[in-house]
Amino acid sequence: DAGVIQSPRHEVTEMGQEVTLRCKPISGHDYLFWYRQTMMRGLELLIYFNNNVPIDDSGMPEDRFSAKMPNASFSTLKIQPSEPRDSAVYFCASSFRGGGTEAFFGQGTRLTVV
Amino acid sequence: DAKTTQPPSMDCAEGRAANLPCNHSTISGNEYVYWYRQIHSQGPQYIIHGLKNNETNEMASLIITEDRKSSTLILPHATLRDTAVYYCIVRVSSNTGKLIFGQGTTLQVKP
Repeated sequence: DAGVIQSPRHEVTEMGQEVTLRCKPISGHDYLFWYRQTMMRGLELLIYFNNNVPIDDSGMPEDRFSAKMPNASFSTLKIQPSEPRDSAVYFCASSFRGGGTEAFFGQGTRLTVV
Repeated sequence: DAKTTQPPSMDCAEGRAANLPCNHSTISGNEYVYWYRQIHSQGPQYIIHGLKNNETNEMASLIITEDRKSSTLILPHATLRDTAVYYCIVRVSSNTGKLIFGQGTTLQVKP
């Protein structure tokens, strides 16, 4: 398996524009996580899914952020409208059965909002 | 999930063992200790985890004290490629699977 695949690797956008980040989890994994990393706040869990269903979105910073998982092999994180403070590296991770197992992370998407 | 405390930074000479401590004094009986690391510009990478027994794999060893209030990650022969931020995470082995990251320890392996 190629691991968790995220796209794009880098995204530069202007303030106010819509941004969509994409993630393909490892085949067979039933948990998917979205994290955000900044220098100030470190790695923050935004939302996670189990069997395509959002379980906990308490980490989503505000209504401008939304995440979907239409099927077991694809998830999106959307920011609309984007703001400069959204600039960060966004990581997607997946795991199998969640508890007691390891999570595999993608390479991340570096988002810059100007 | 229990909170963990790690030193912000450590140095280690190449070829020597790196011992990274973690305090988790409020750990509960059903909580595991996990270690991940993040090499610059990459996603976090799983290293090892344990409940109460010491664990060893091809990457590292995990030593958990008998009272489970602290643990040590040991990289037996550190290389320059082991320079990274190391995260100690305590979480319940439940079906949630979510990991809450602290600030971690930045390990600098020096030649």
